[in-house]
Amino acid sequence: DTAVSQTPKYLVTQMGNDKSIKCEQNLGHDTMYWYKQDSKKFLKIMFSYNNKELIINETVPNRFSPKSPDKAHLNLHINSLELGDSAVYFCASSHPPGTNNEQFFGPGTRLTVL
Amino acid sequence: AQSVTQPDIHITVSEGASLELRCNYSYGATPYLFWYVQSPGQGLQLLLKYFSGDTLVQGIKGFEAEFKRSQSSFNLRKPSVHWSDAAEYFCAVDVYGNKLVFGAGTILRVKS
Repeated sequence: DTAVSQTPKYLVTQMGNDKSIKCEQNLGHDTMYWYKQDSKKFLKIMFSYNNKELIINETVPNRFSPKSPDKAHLNLHINSLELGDSAVYFCASSHPPGTNNEQFFGPGTRLTVL
Repeated sequence: AQSVTQPDIHITVSEGASLELRCNYSYGATPYLFWYVQSPGQGLQLLLKYFSGDTLVQGIKGFEAEFKRSQSSFNLRKPSVHWSDAAEYFCAVDVYGNKLVFGAGTILRVKS
């Protein structure tokens, strides 16, 4: 049983393209997150959604647009991809803030922009 | 601002030796603290967490960590390292109960 899944696992694309990464969790959590891990392995939160509502937006360029169609899904759409967007993107989920909110991570999506 | 410092970028230990990975945090309130492990090309797996109570917490794979408020530390330990423990380890603090701030990670190498 996969708890947090992401598709695709690898994504190679050209600069200027638009791409999406999908995330699904079957843990019954209300809160989902996107993190970016750069080439130096540094992990930083990008967005957080609680019950389909945006609660954290960490000054991410507006080329990045998360979308949560329901509590179990949080997709990340990226417009006009740039070289600097190359990274591993991790989705995570947890119970709502203020509870026992251990975060469960997906396997990651490695995005390479050429 | 909240921050997490892992002073050691790389650590090499012999198989069977003990291990301690250091983590210091900067956070005004009572922290929720975590250690995650990432094997090459893999996602993050939670090793252990501290929310409250006993300051020595046990985790999976024989790891433990001790929360020391006076030192703002949450160091990870294992008495006897196995070759399969080679990975990158991340310490994290939960800020305001809704986002994780990670340290830069410590790469553990195990020599036989």
